[in-house]
Amino acid sequence: NAGVTQTPKFQVLKTGQSMTLQCAQDMNHNSMYWYRQDPGMGLRLIYYSASEGTTDKGEVPNGYNVSRLNKREFSLRLESAAPSQTSVYFCASSEVQGRNQPQHFGDGTRLSIL
Amino acid sequence: ILNVEQSPQSLHVQEGDSTNFTCSFPSSNFYALHWYRWETAKSPEALFVMTLNGDEKKKGRISATLNTKEGYSYLYIKGSQPEDSATYLCASPNSGNTPLVFGKGTRLSVIA
Repeated sequence: NAGVTQTPKFQVLKTGQSMTLQCAQDMNHNSMYWYRQDPGMGLRLIYYSASEGTTDKGEVPNGYNVSRLNKREFSLRLESAAPSQTSVYFCASSEVQGRNQPQHFGDGTRLSIL
Repeated sequence: ILNVEQSPQSLHVQEGDSTNFTCSFPSSNFYALHWYRWETAKSPEALFVMTLNGDEKKKGRISATLNTKEGYSYLYIKGSQPEDSATYLCASPNSGNTPLVFGKGTRLSVIA
């Protein structure tokens, strides 16, 4: 049981390049999330999908787009990467988007933009 | 956006010491409080979810309490071990069905 799988684990991009981060979960969860983690800033929500077919902006959505491809998969796209988007990106899922539902996290994608 | 604060930012303790740290959140419109443990180079793992004032949860040597009236939760570690070294995150939702807002974490280092 893999849980939440993120690909790739590491990536280096040049400014202006585009990239899609992939996330898949095998727990039949309805809700999925993308976070970025920066030193001193904790986890900040970029976008989330409460259920298949819906997506919503989080705290820091600028420069990103998302696609909830199906119930299992939730991708994050950087259309034109900027150095400010250098970060560690975490995908997470929960059974439903409810107050009692713990989130399950992937191992992260470390992204560097030069 | 909900303000979830954690203190201290970092903590160093000796092996065998017991320790605790705090998560503060607005006491009005409280829905739930989550604790996560995040080891270096790994992903955050859920420890506890608490919803009721006075809740106490325990997992091994780690326990947590919740005071929703005054807006804080404590995480306790009894007899700290080097393997307890991690960042401990707390989080709370803005409303009943919105995503979690995370604090910045308390980084615990246990020195053997």
